Amino acid sequence: EAQVTQNPRYLITVTGKKLTVTCSQNMNHEYMSWYRQDPGLGLRQIYYSMNVEVTDKGDVPEGYKVSRKEKRNFPLILESPSPNQTSLYFCASRPDRLDTGELFFGEGSRLTVL
Amino acid sequence: QKEVEQNSGPLSVPEGAIASLNCTYSDRGSQSFFWYRQYSGKSPELIMFIYSNGDKEDGRFTAQLNKASQYVSLLIRDSQPSDSATYLCAVKDTGFQKLVFGTGTRLLVSP
Repeated sequence: EAQVTQNPRYLITVTGKKLTVTCSQNMNHEYMSWYRQDPGLGLRQIYYSMNVEVTDKGDVPEGYKVSRKEKRNFPLILESPSPNQTSLYFCASRPDRLDTGELFFGEGSRLTVL
Repeated sequence: QKEVEQNSGPLSVPEGAIASLNCTYSDRGSQSFFWYRQYSGKSPELIMFIYSNGDKEDGRFTAQLNKASQYVSLLIRDSQPSDSATYLCAVKDTGFQKLVFGTGTRLLVSP
């Protein structure tokens, strides 16, 4: 089954404790991206990657890191989480085609930073 | 900053009625427009996309695009309670690096 898998789905952590949210897709997509979703603010892009070893900042990259060492994986790293990073996070992917911009989303990771 | 604007709602319609969801965008160069549906606590899923001015129909859904007015809409005919969700309008930016999402309109369809 074609899918984007995120882990963990739910996490409660404390300020300053490094954490990683993993994302893996099995569709051989070139493009991957991380979004956060907050009430009243909608989906905002954190980072994206056009292909292996190619990453770039989105609209809200502060406090986050990413890496793209393999095509299928795109982990999101919070080096020192803070309460304002409490949010619902979505990983998404798409093939690198110009005829559509459809994104395939993971199920989401709800993060709470105390 | 390129923006996509939607009324947050909720938009309440009775079962069987037509629901009309609207979206405006600021980037006049945008070429591709998308409607995603998101149930509470779930991930967004694509309903329709539209590239050309005019209407595009798919089952009970019709997307309408007016590039001159920078306006895109989604009509849902014969609305069902299962259509109750948040509908996200998304616009592909001219650099193709990302989709810019609106904040969504919450639709409530009452039996």
